[in-house]
Amino acid sequence: EPEVTQTPSHQVTQMGQEVILRCVPISNHLYFYWYRQILGQKVEFLVSFYNNEISEKSEIFDDQFSVERPDGSNFTLKIRSTKLEDSAMYFCASSELIEAFFGQGTRLTVV
Amino acid sequence: QKEVEQDPGPLSVPEGAIVSLNCTYSNSAFQYFMWYRQYSRKGPELLMYTYSSGNKEDGRFTAQVDKSSKYISLFIRDSQPSDSATYLCAMRGGGNKLTFGTGTQLKVEL
Repeated sequence: EPEVTQTPSHQVTQMGQEVILRCVPISNHLYFYWYRQILGQKVEFLVSFYNNEISEKSEIFDDQFSVERPDGSNFTLKIRSTKLEDSAMYFCASSELIEAFFGQGTRLTVV
Repeated sequence: QKEVEQDPGPLSVPEGAIVSLNCTYSNSAFQYFMWYRQYSRKGPELLMYTYSSGNKEDGRFTAQVDKSSKYISLFIRDSQPSDSATYLCAMRGGGNKLTFGTGTQLKVEL
């Protein structure tokens, strides 16, 4: 069964460092997303991406964040200068139309 | 008022019970209503979705949407210990962004 895969599963980084989280969406899907979930809190939308551009973003997705689809299969989230409050689970998702399928997540710990 | 409200639980039921999980929402623009299951430190797994008002059944799971009351439900029949997880409701309007509830933690006991 096709699935969304994310790497790494866990990333530890020092405050102020740049991190890149990687995702391989389901191959025939057209829409790609990043969400995050701070421990004990709800899943929050960050950004959606369609046709090689951002289609929607939340207030959380500020200038420190960027997304890219560098080739036909990968979708990345970059955080330029990490803060302690960026520590969370980051989920990539993809959809053909309505049903969004999520990856297993990358746990980002900023120390 | 939060856009999506969900009782966090925990909800504990005996094996074989019928479970009712609910969400309320305030945004009239929501048209698609999803239920996800999430195990600890894992990604949300889509169970089912409903468009607009009505019922939808898939095996032991039934989703109901009442747009007039802004109220959605997920029923699980013949609950099993493997159903123990956190259940998330999620909704979207005309765009693709999903707005999630906080999740209800369910434990099904032997």
